[in-house]
Amino acid sequence: NAGVMQNPRHLVRRRGQEARLRCSPMKGHSHVYWYRQLPEEGLKFMVYLQKENIIDESGMPKERFSAEFPKEGPSILRIQQVVRGDSAAYFCASSPPGQGVLNTEAFFGQGTRLTVV
Amino acid sequence: DQQVKQNSPSLSVQEGRISILNCDYTNSMFDYFLWYKKYPAEGPTFLISISSIKDKNEDGRFTVFLNKSAKHLSLHIVPSQPGDSAVYFCAATSNYGGSQGNLIFGKGTKLSVKP
Repeated sequence: NAGVMQNPRHLVRRRGQEARLRCSPMKGHSHVYWYRQLPEEGLKFMVYLQKENIIDESGMPKERFSAEFPKEGPSILRIQQVVRGDSAAYFCASSPPGQGVLNTEAFFGQGTRLTVV
Repeated sequence: DQQVKQNSPSLSVQEGRISILNCDYTNSMFDYFLWYKKYPAEGPTFLISISSIKDKNEDGRFTVFLNKSAKHLSLHIVPSQPGDSAVYFCAATSNYGGSQGNLIFGKGTKLSVKP
């Protein structure tokens, strides 16, 4: 059973370009969470999704950021018109259905390190 | 305003001794606390958790203590091993009022266990 898969592992974008980060949850998991870690900081919650639904996006910046988790395929975190301040590690986690809280059943991916130049 | 604080950015311990990592929180609505371990260039790995109805949870070498009145929790690792060297994050969440899935993390404590 493969773990949470994130790709790419490293992504370099020029200012103004778009960044697309992908997350494939563990098999059987229908809850996906995105977190961002800035240098020297802890992880900060961005968004919590279930299949085709955004449950909590209270941590998402109001502009340029969007997330989806379609019925088929991976969850996508999309950042439009990237700026240098978007440079960070973006982590995805998943948990099984029936568990609305991130707990022992949640697993993190290895992260995508976004660098904006 | 940081709701979860890990005031020690780093901790160095001799192999075989006890490591104590501390965490303070400010939000009294938090009712579930977790510790994650993170190696460089990897995602966080769940270590141990505790519900607010308990004051202690033990799993092998790892024990988490919760003092609700002080809004303080600690992770004890005994005996410490060189492979425990990593960054440890404290996290908290609340099942109350629709914040499910939203983990609040501290900034982490880098533990170094010296042989």
